[in-house]
Amino acid sequence: GAVVSQHPSRVICKSGTSVKIECRSLDFQATTMFWYRQFPKQSLMLMATSNEGSKATYEQGVEKDKFLINHASLTLSTLTVTSAHPEDSSFYICSSPLAGVETQYFGPGTRLLVL
Amino acid sequence: EDQVTQSPEALRLQEGESSSLNCSYTVSGLRGLFWYRQDPGKGPEFLFTLYSAGEEKEKERLKATLTKKESFLHITAPKPEDSATYLCAVQPVTSGTYKYIFGTGTRLKVLA
Repeated sequence: GAVVSQHPSRVICKSGTSVKIECRSLDFQATTMFWYRQFPKQSLMLMATSNEGSKATYEQGVEKDKFLINHASLTLSTLTVTSAHPEDSSFYICSSPLAGVETQYFGPGTRLLVL
Repeated sequence: EDQVTQSPEALRLQEGESSSLNCSYTVSGLRGLFWYRQDPGKGPEFLFTLYSAGEEKEKERLKATLTKKESFLHITAPKPEDSATYLCAVQPVTSGTYKYIFGTGTRLKVLA
């Protein structure tokens, strides 16, 4: 079964509003979570690494003031897209490594559409 | 620069028609290579991890192999339910733990 969940699965918002996406680890503690963005027919692009209890690490070209990440507990990381614009419309996916397992576990993704 | 290239971009097969998907990579050092399956509107689902050249892993109709420059995902006698996008990712030695570089994927359609 799924070990990482995301909420919401789909969200439509007006341009200029902020949207929060939650990523939860189920039945395990996630000190690290990753946030990816995927445009249609394109690769998953790592946006940032979320670390519990400390500041997130952003990849080059990702605006940290636009994509706010909070990892306040060992099971929850949130990504807030502030002042969203149509070009932010994308598929956002979180993932987390699980100790002792050779790969990351990915969430089901959140489809964001900004009108 | 670390890079992952997958080919073909899209592939249509008849049910039972075996084929292979390619993942070519350029990294300064390879910590691991990963194959995932992604269904439309879903997150990637883990298939295999390969660590060193010559390694092979199998799961049902899928078999993954690895050389120093590329990996193949062989699909034997595919079924319509194998239709999905198959993603390849590498974890360079120089990257932080679990930091992956993804290819753009191969969209596979298996016709009944």
